[in-house]
Amino acid sequence: DAKTTQPPSMDCAEGRAANLPCNHSTISGNEYVYWYRQIHSQGPQYIIHGLKNNETNEMASLIITEDRKSSTLILPHATLRDTAVYYCIEGAGSYQLTFGKGTKLSVIP
Amino acid sequence: DTGVSQDPRHKITKRGQNVTFRCDPISEHNRLYWYRQTLGQGPEFLTYFQNEAQLEKSRLLSDRFSAERPKGSFSTLEIQRTEQGDSAMYLCASSLSGSRETQYFGPGTRLLVL
Repeated sequence: DAKTTQPPSMDCAEGRAANLPCNHSTISGNEYVYWYRQIHSQGPQYIIHGLKNNETNEMASLIITEDRKSSTLILPHATLRDTAVYYCIEGAGSYQLTFGKGTKLSVIP
Repeated sequence: DTGVSQDPRHKITKRGQNVTFRCDPISEHNRLYWYRQTLGQGPEFLTYFQNEAQLEKSRLLSDRFSAERPKGSFSTLEIQRTEQGDSAMYLCASSLSGSRETQYFGPGTRLLVL
């Protein structure tokens, strides 16, 4: 079973920042927090991952709390193409990724 | 952009038939993973290869399922005597072992068993 907890759905207005929360209270010291998204009928797309420092790339920013028990994925300027299911996963990199049901983000015009 | 590719993208078969799917990973990636995804659920891990060695199998992988990666490059997933419950999206991912390892997924093969 997935070890992370995410809200089942969220809405965001186009052009605004989308902030997607995730709880991972049982994460161990060597486990990263990974974020993937899945647009309808496509394979999951890697977004970003981090260990304990905040991370930023061309797609998003990842803010991890100091105790590492939760994180927030930030899409700074959401577009309609960001409508997808977003998965937060804790893992050690190799071997299986355990997906939950994720958060269905709807970007509204 | 030579990402992970999968073939076929869609497959419709009758119950009891055998099917085989192919995955071509990103060329320098030594690890390859198979996942299955049913409607409304996240992907579930099936099996994992490092080079040509199959190192881990989920209990979801029944005896009717077999996966190979004979030369450590492409992989095949075969389902024998398909059942309607096998209808799902079959996803392949690959990664390069090392720190900050990341799995990259292909587009999937959608299987419908009638």
